[in-house]
Amino acid sequence: EPEVTQTPSHQVTQMGQEVILRCVPISNHLYFYWYRQILGQKVEFLVSFYNNEISEKSEIFDDQFSVERPDGSNFTLKIRSTKLEDSAMYFCASSETEDVEAFFGQGTRLTVV
Amino acid sequence: KQEVTQIPAALSVPEGENLVLNCSFTDSAIYNLQWFRQDPGKGLTSLLLIQSSQREQTSGRLNASLDKSSGRSTLYIAASQPGDSATYLCAPPRPYSGAGSYQLTFGKGTKLSVIP
Repeated sequence: EPEVTQTPSHQVTQMGQEVILRCVPISNHLYFYWYRQILGQKVEFLVSFYNNEISEKSEIFDDQFSVERPDGSNFTLKIRSTKLEDSAMYFCASSETEDVEAFFGQGTRLTVV
Repeated sequence: KQEVTQIPAALSVPEGENLVLNCSFTDSAIYNLQWFRQDPGKGLTSLLLIQSSQREQTSGRLNASLDKSSGRSTLYIAASQPGDSATYLCAPPRPYSGAGSYQLTFGKGTKLSVIP
């Protein structure tokens, strides 16, 4: 069964460093998303991406964040200068169209020290 | 803005029981709602998507209902098993505001423990 894959599963980084989280969405999907979950809190929307551009972003998604689809299969989230409060589980998701089932990856646990 | 509340926050039941998880949301102008399962430290597994035109959706021992007018959805789990132990998340989208605006809003979840 097709699935969304994310790498790495766990990343530890020093405050101020740049990190790139990688995702391979399901191949025929056109809509891509990043969500995050701080430990013990709700899953929160970060950004949606369609037709090679950001279609929506939340207040969390400030200038330190960027997304890219560098080729036909990968979808990345970059955090330019990590802060302690960026520590969270980051989930990539994809869907075929906007109003159908979204499939999530297993997440990348980011720990900023 | 969509707000999602899930009751109860935690539930412990003996194996074999049927149970109901409740979800309420503030903005009923939605066209679907998705239920997920999350195991500790793991990703989100989609269980069911129920469209606003449907009243119910079934998958195996799971049955989800949606009542848009009252802003409620329920997830019914029949004959619970220890393997059902996980956190169950309800996620309606926020109201649609144009192409590319689709985003899910999550509740805090119901943590289910099924005791053998």
